[in-house]
Amino acid sequence: EVQLVESGGGLVQPGGSLRLSCAASGFTFSSYWMSWVRQAPGKGLEWVANIKQDGSEKYYVDSVKGRFTISRDNAKNSLYLQMNSLRAEDTAVYYCARSGYYLTYYYMDVWGKGTTVTVSS
Amino acid sequence: DIQMTQSPSSLSASVGDRVTITCRASQSISSYLNWYQQKPGKAPKLLIYAASSLQSGVPSRFSGSGSGTDFTLTISSLQPEDFATYYCQQSYSTPGFTFGPGTKVDIK
Repeated sequence: EVQLVESGGGLVQPGGSLRLSCAASGFTFSSYWMSWVRQAPGKGLEWVANIKQDGSEKYYVDSVKGRFTISRDNAKNSLYLQMNSLRAEDTAVYYCARSGYYLTYYYMDVWGKGTTVTVSS
Repeated sequence: DIQMTQSPSSLSASVGDRVTITCRASQSISSYLNWYQQKPGKAPKLLIYAASSLQSGVPSRFSGSGSGTDFTLTISSLQPEDFATYYCQQSYSTPGFTFGPGTKVDIK
């Protein structure tokens, strides 16, 4: 079964750090771009970051540049998101998602259940 | 940056109704448009990719159309399990996948 399982969320104070993990199974992890997407309480979906198959390219939404770092370990079939200098507005459910593709068309076809990050004092 | 808008932001409909949701891009994105369904407390689910291609396992009552800047998601006969929020997403200006603000479909 193709599956993504996130972990590492929790309550953290403003300015603090947290590292999210996503364990992949059931597919060849190293063959896919991977993304993090978040959803603040009662709000819509926001793409946060993604990473190329070999980790050589990484991209971020402007609001997290310089604070968040995406990485992956293909030997462990795992995706990570290191979050530093956290702000209240980073409070959200964070989803790990696989970027499937057909020709040049990319889409997020496999999602984890999400992990909740709450930034509050 | 490409901005995505959706209309309406919410709608009320009855089981069996035909439902249409519109998504508009701030510039041409060809057919690089995906649609997702999200139910409360659940992860999003891919419905349509490349504007009109039905994802495997998705019921055929869902369809997508459009190209350029204007796109449509249609549910031909609304079922009880279709009450959810629907998001469009552009994949033209990768690697950033911009989502639309969402359209909530609830029971009339």
